[in-house]
Amino acid sequence: AQSVTQPDIHITVSEGASLELRCNYSYGATPYLFWYVQSPGQGLQLLLKYFSGDTLVQGIKGFEAEFKRSQSSFNLRKPSVHWSDAAEYFCAVGANAGNMLTFGGGTRLMVKP
Amino acid sequence: EAGVAQSPRYKIIEKRQSVAFWCNPISGHATLYWYQQILGQGPKLLIQFQNNGVVDDSQLPKDRFSAERLKGVDSTLKIQPAKLEDSAVYLCASSLRSAGELFFGEGSRLTVL
Repeated sequence: AQSVTQPDIHITVSEGASLELRCNYSYGATPYLFWYVQSPGQGLQLLLKYFSGDTLVQGIKGFEAEFKRSQSSFNLRKPSVHWSDAAEYFCAVGANAGNMLTFGGGTRLMVKP
Repeated sequence: EAGVAQSPRYKIIEKRQSVAFWCNPISGHATLYWYQQILGQGPKLLIQFQNNGVVDDSQLPKDRFSAERLKGVDSTLKIQPAKLEDSAVYLCASSLRSAGELFFGEGSRLTVL
């Protein structure tokens, strides 16, 4: 069965600092991997996705993520965090873009001024 | 382009009562999903429709939950009777096709007292 682990429940960073959110997955075949962001009271918005090819993928809002097959990881990064990035971030794995997505438990990001 | 619409946004009921949530997907999207998001957890897929047919409902508690998408457009998710553990946000998502990117609504927050 597929699963996703986000080891950090909460992370606090200072505005302007760099950010890395961890994601580890378990999947029997080549995974489709996603990062979503959820602001309070809002639905989930897709930040980026990885299907194949270049293991470093760029997303919206200045985020990027790197797929490391050997480590079963898909960590999300941003070089300089803005106060508006405060939200909850979810990593997900699936057989394709839509079917059977399994989400991690989420990481809540807080940004200090 | 209008997004995924959900109503009501908030609902408070007593246990053993019934509740229904409505979702109108993005126009032209053939695939519709209902997810349950319990506080502090990632979303969990309840049911997936392709047009008006069910693709996957393996995680839907069928003794109390039901969902329909009669004309292949909007959908209703019903819980009867509700239990305390059903307190959650119910997210609807749609995609153009079964393997396409998911677009989420803002969710319907249910509190069962």
